[in-house]
Amino acid sequence: GAGVSQSPRYKVAKRGQDVALRCDPISGHVSLFWYQQALGQGPEFLTYFQNEAQLDKSGLPSDRFFAERPEGSVSTLKIQRTQQEDSAVYLCASSPENRDSLEAFFGQGTRLTVV
Amino acid sequence: AQKVTQAQTEISVVEKEDVTLDCVYETRDTTYYLFWYKQPPSGELVFLIRRNSFDEQNEISGRYSWNFQKSTSSFNFTITASQVVDSAVYFCALSEERGGGNKLTFGTGTQLKVEL
Repeated sequence: GAGVSQSPRYKVAKRGQDVALRCDPISGHVSLFWYQQALGQGPEFLTYFQNEAQLDKSGLPSDRFFAERPEGSVSTLKIQRTQQEDSAVYLCASSPENRDSLEAFFGQGTRLTVV
Repeated sequence: AQKVTQAQTEISVVEKEDVTLDCVYETRDTTYYLFWYKQPPSGELVFLIRRNSFDEQNEISGRYSWNFQKSTSSFNFTITASQVVDSAVYFCALSEERGGGNKLTFGTGTQLKVEL
């Protein structure tokens, strides 16, 4: 497809379960971002990749959160031992390398519910 | 630290009314970028506009217009002759200049409801 694709769209996890969320960015986009959006709030930055390098992970809320992009394209956000406060929509965005084009293209997100 | 404030949580208007969504930002950077995104019920954030801190010209795109005023650190968004399809959550966002990537700081959003 032409846009950013995320899967699954919805995920229900039992507290303590590990989850993996996938992001397929737009082909050729160098930059990839993960954001967390709690209900009724704006998205909050989690982490940023430039190709396969994770250049900024300052937004990851705890060491239970881990992201990777091993080949510089698809990215996975993994949450270990999920807790109720992890319930949110996780948004992935990608943008081209060209600094003049700072528009980030967002996927539809994965809604994670921890029960 | 960067901060974006959208004081209006929810706005309801009747179709064809004009509506302005407010955005106030804080940053210590001299070079930065401001954005507006639309989030319909489907959840995907749709890019509307980007402005850099050196360009204070107002912009108009169809029924949409943006008023950027550095003196008041505001970047307000006006929809003229609103339509039901404009109903969505609108986010204002700020990013600093960096060597690569545009980490966005978002406001809490304004829910716009346009009714017939």
